[in-house]
Amino acid sequence: NAGVTQTPKFRILKIGQSMTLQCAQDMNHNYMYWYRQDPGMGLKLIYYSVGAGITDKGEVPNGYNVSRSTTEDFPLRLELAAPSQTSVYFCASSTRQGAHTEAFFGQGTRLTVV
Amino acid sequence: DAKTTQPPSMDCAEGRAANLPCNHSTISGNEYVYWYRQIHSQGPQYIIHGLKNNETNEMASLIITEDRKSSTLILPHATLRDTAVYYCIVRVDVYGGATNKLIFGTGTLLAVQP
Repeated sequence: NAGVTQTPKFRILKIGQSMTLQCAQDMNHNYMYWYRQDPGMGLKLIYYSVGAGITDKGEVPNGYNVSRSTTEDFPLRLELAAPSQTSVYFCASSTRQGAHTEAFFGQGTRLTVV
Repeated sequence: DAKTTQPPSMDCAEGRAANLPCNHSTISGNEYVYWYRQIHSQGPQYIIHGLKNNETNEMASLIITEDRKSSTLILPHATLRDTAVYYCIVRVDVYGGATNKLIFGTGTLLAVQP
């Protein structure tokens, strides 16, 4: 099983450039999430989605946009890259089994903005 | 949202039990305690979760105090591969429990020493 797949793994952007971080899951999970992790810090939730067509802001949404047109895909868009967005980005997905949910994470995209 | 407090770092000798504490004094009655770990910048990995009873699986045990204000993750026989950042998370439910957001703190860096 592929699980959660993130592309690209690494990227260098210039200030002001735009890009889309791709995230796909093949587990038919309803819930998907984007996190960022700055060096030496914990993960911060950027956006999340409870299903196709539904998204909501997390802790640090400024400078990002998301869409969820299908269950499988949850791309994260950076419109005007800034050095403060240099980080490792993790996508995750989960489903709910009764009261329990287990999130599965991708391997991350390491983004540097120069 | 219920917050968690963890020590920033701990050491453990290889083969010994590692006991990682977590305080969550503002937890509410229907919130679960989850533990994840992150090995060297990989995506976080689910370990275990619980509500009020002690739980055990193939990876670890979770002990939750009777008042639910704190918990301890126990790795019974720590190995070098258990060196990681361990996150204690109280699961936040929004939309009547649908979103299953996971809000990460800074975690505990467990260093298993040979």
